Amino acid sequence: SQLAEENLWALSVHEGESVTVNCSYKTSITALQWYRQKSGEGPAQLILIRSNEREKRNGRLRATLDTSSQSSSLSITATRCEDTAVYFCATDLNQGKLIFGQGTKLSIKP
Amino acid sequence: DAGVTQTPRHEVAEKGQTIILKCEPVSGHNDLFWYRQTKIQGLELLSYFRSKSLMEDGGAFKDRFKAEMLNSSFSTLKIQPTEPKDSAVYLCASSLRLGVYEQYFGPGTRLTVL
Repeated sequence: SQLAEENLWALSVHEGESVTVNCSYKTSITALQWYRQKSGEGPAQLILIRSNEREKRNGRLRATLDTSSQSSSLSITATRCEDTAVYFCATDLNQGKLIFGQGTKLSIKP
Repeated sequence: DAGVTQTPRHEVAEKGQTIILKCEPVSGHNDLFWYRQTKIQGLELLSYFRSKSLMEDGGAFKDRFKAEMLNSSFSTLKIQPTEPKDSAVYLCASSLRLGVYEQYFGPGTRLTVL
């Protein structure tokens, strides 16, 4: 079973709208990271949020973490066409490796 | 600074062939990871090195997959013999081993096995 998983396979919004990708996980974590993977590229980290943090921002991105419900969300405001990508959450079990979810494919329509 | 480099970017192999994928991590990084990515399975960890020592060898991938880290700046992933089900994108990533860290990924090698 997945130790980390995004809750939706795909999302589509129009440019300029806001969107939220959700993630749930199944074990105690040290931190949770959000990655974005554009077509033809490897994943790139967007935000790292530690288990003692509830919210983290990076420009138009905002990540939240709720350790009681073992869930996280990544919100993107004022979306742009270049935000089209697959978004992954990844949990850090303090074992030196990350466990990646299956990813949510986000499409931004002009 | 140079990121993670992977070669080749694309590889086509016949069933039964041996292929070797290469990775150069970010200079100074201590941890190196090999992943396989498919649409169905997502990102699967194949191997994980810490300071050149093999920490995890991927369980189900052990029999035909072998990763090596010959020095701190070069790693290979050998698949022998290849099977059509090995068709996937193979990603290499590296990271610092200092508390909570991020992984820096290469662009991947797209392998097609005929």
